[in-house]
Amino acid sequence: GAGVSQSPSNKVTEKGKDVELRCDPISGHTALYWYRQSLGQGLEFLIYFQGNSAPDKSGLPSDRFSAERTGGSVSTLTIQRTQQEDSAVYLCASSPSGTGLRSGNTIYFGEGSWLTVV
Amino acid sequence: GESVGLHLPTLSVQEGDNSIINCAYSNSASDYFIWYKQESGKGPQFIIDIRSNMDKRQGQRVTVLLNKTVKHLSLQIAATQPGDSAVYFCAENSGGGADGLTFGKGTHLIIQP
Repeated sequence: GAGVSQSPSNKVTEKGKDVELRCDPISGHTALYWYRQSLGQGLEFLIYFQGNSAPDKSGLPSDRFSAERTGGSVSTLTIQRTQQEDSAVYLCASSPSGTGLRSGNTIYFGEGSWLTVV
Repeated sequence: GESVGLHLPTLSVQEGDNSIINCAYSNSASDYFIWYKQESGKGPQFIIDIRSNMDKRQGQRVTVLLNKTVKHLSLQIAATQPGDSAVYFCAENSGGGADGLTFGKGTHLIIQP
């Protein structure tokens, strides 16, 4: 597609339920990132995929959070047993090459998935 | 703590005036910086970037200034328009975070008519 696509755009779920958020990066981009943004806050790094390398999971806040990237393209972020503090916007981004950041290739964000846990 | 921070969380300017958004960074090894704009309900959008071998870079109505001596980054927006109202984030490539990219908390720019 023309840009990073995320779905659903909005999700309301009950506390304790599992949710899956999907990200379709820009075609050809090898690097994919997930960030979380709470209301009025900055971007919190969650996880980073680069090609076939092992993902950098250092930002995942707990073991309830996991992510996969199938075939080097689409990624799914899963939150198990959701809690109210998980309510936030979950942003996905991609870049042509992760290492390209050092050469000036920026990352491109999707519109986000707005998660509300009630 | 965060290595990238912003001096003012909210900045209000009159339409047509120039605005300056500031950002401080702490990692002297950072070699690449980006400014993003995030409008309400949307994802961050790339505005302009600058490498550490430059002091200034200009785009359309925007200029980024980099002062490595004091580790300071600024975004200047000329002749502000209502559509400039948004949250502006600076980000640095410091070797930490996701592929080295660390974001600040953001400054909310409000353009008053």
